[in-house]
Amino acid sequence: AQSVTQPDIHITVSEGASLELRCNYSYGATPYLFWYVQSPGQGLQLLLKYFSGDTLVQGIKGFEAEFKRSQSSFNLRKPSVHWSDAAEYFCAVGSGNAGKSTFGDGTTLTVKP
Amino acid sequence: NAGVTQTPKFQVLKTGQSMTLQCAQDMNHEYMSWYRQDPGMGLRLIHYSVGAGITDQGEVPNGYNVSRSTTEDFPLRLLSAAPSQTSVYFCASGSIRSRNYGYTFGSGTRLTVV
Repeated sequence: AQSVTQPDIHITVSEGASLELRCNYSYGATPYLFWYVQSPGQGLQLLLKYFSGDTLVQGIKGFEAEFKRSQSSFNLRKPSVHWSDAAEYFCAVGSGNAGKSTFGDGTTLTVKP
Repeated sequence: NAGVTQTPKFQVLKTGQSMTLQCAQDMNHEYMSWYRQDPGMGLRLIHYSVGAGITDQGEVPNGYNVSRSTTEDFPLRLLSAAPSQTSVYFCASGSIRSRNYGYTFGSGTRLTVV
């Protein structure tokens, strides 16, 4: 069965500092991996995805993520965080059938001025 | 604007009542799914569909029914509401053909069962 672990429930960073959110997955084949962001009271928005090829993927809003098969990880990074990045972030894993994506429990990001 | 539309946005039900949460998308996506979101538990898959006439159960299907008679619509039916179904429900759609393959989410339905 596929599963996702986001080890950090809550992270606080200062504005302008770098950010890394961790994601570990369990999947029996080559995974489709996603990062989503959710602002309070809103639905989720896709930040980026990995299917194959280059293991470093770029997304919207200046985010990037690196797929490391040996570590079963897909960590999300941003070089300089802005106050508007404060939100909840979800990592997800799925097959070619996007209807069966499994989500992690999320990491809440707080940005200090 | 193209996207996923969920109605209603808020609903209060009494225990034992039934209702249907509506979901419609206008992007011709083949995949549609229903998730529920509870504090500290991420999103859990209730039911999903890979095309009109095809549905399957997810992780937490009990107490919910779905059908998909058209590509656009994917309603979620609560058969007999229970307090444990108090949650925020999200509908999502996607397509393997889309350049931005991944889910597009609706804005959610906040359901309270009393």
